[in-house]
Amino acid sequence: DADVTQTPRNRITKTGKRIMLECSQTKGHDRMYWYRQDPGLGLRLIYYSFDVKDINKGEISDGYSVSRQAQAKFSLSLESAIPNQTALYFCATSAGSSGAYEQYFGPGTRLTVT
Amino acid sequence: LAKTTQPISMDSYEGQEVNITCSHNNIATNDYITWYQQFPSQGPRFIIQGYKTKVTNEVASLFIPADRKSSTLSLPRVSLSDTAVYYCLVGDILTGGGNKLTFGTGTQLKVEL
Repeated sequence: DADVTQTPRNRITKTGKRIMLECSQTKGHDRMYWYRQDPGLGLRLIYYSFDVKDINKGEISDGYSVSRQAQAKFSLSLESAIPNQTALYFCATSAGSSGAYEQYFGPGTRLTVT
Repeated sequence: LAKTTQPISMDSYEGQEVNITCSHNNIATNDYITWYQQFPSQGPRFIIQGYKTKVTNEVASLFIPADRKSSTLSLPRVSLSDTAVYYCLVGDILTGGGNKLTFGTGTQLKVEL
């Protein structure tokens, strides 16, 4: 079984709808991250969490919110989806301290907003 | 925050050794160098990490000169399946992560027959 899972894998939604992307991990890592990737570009950090009580904004947090329900679960919400949020979304995890730069990524969620 | 510079793209042929160099002139004393590989529509995958000199694992080698202002990822005898984007990241692994971990656009490696 995969260590980092994301649901759904693909989603098409309409402008203005609220949508939640979910991430679960079995690696026992404290740190979790949400990224988005647009075609031909690198990954941009949306939010990150170093433990259940710690949530931090990343480079592009506007229009997004997150919830860290447990150590193993980190959800990303689009409160009112807009077409320029169409992208590939990745969740990642890492161990604390020396593992900070060794991240493990989920398979991604392809989101299309029409 | 150390800025990195990589070539946008590289081409190679199967069986050849490929070296991808990353420049990081303002690397800090506590910074480590980490490389990731990403296939289309998949999340990046950790390849290798190092601080100085040479690090080798089952898939790649990482060469870091004494001044640490650059690093070279070496892929021995590449195959078609090595066609991917390769990212170089630099940062303090003990206190970093979070918004200090930045993926640029990486180097697109294309391997042909």
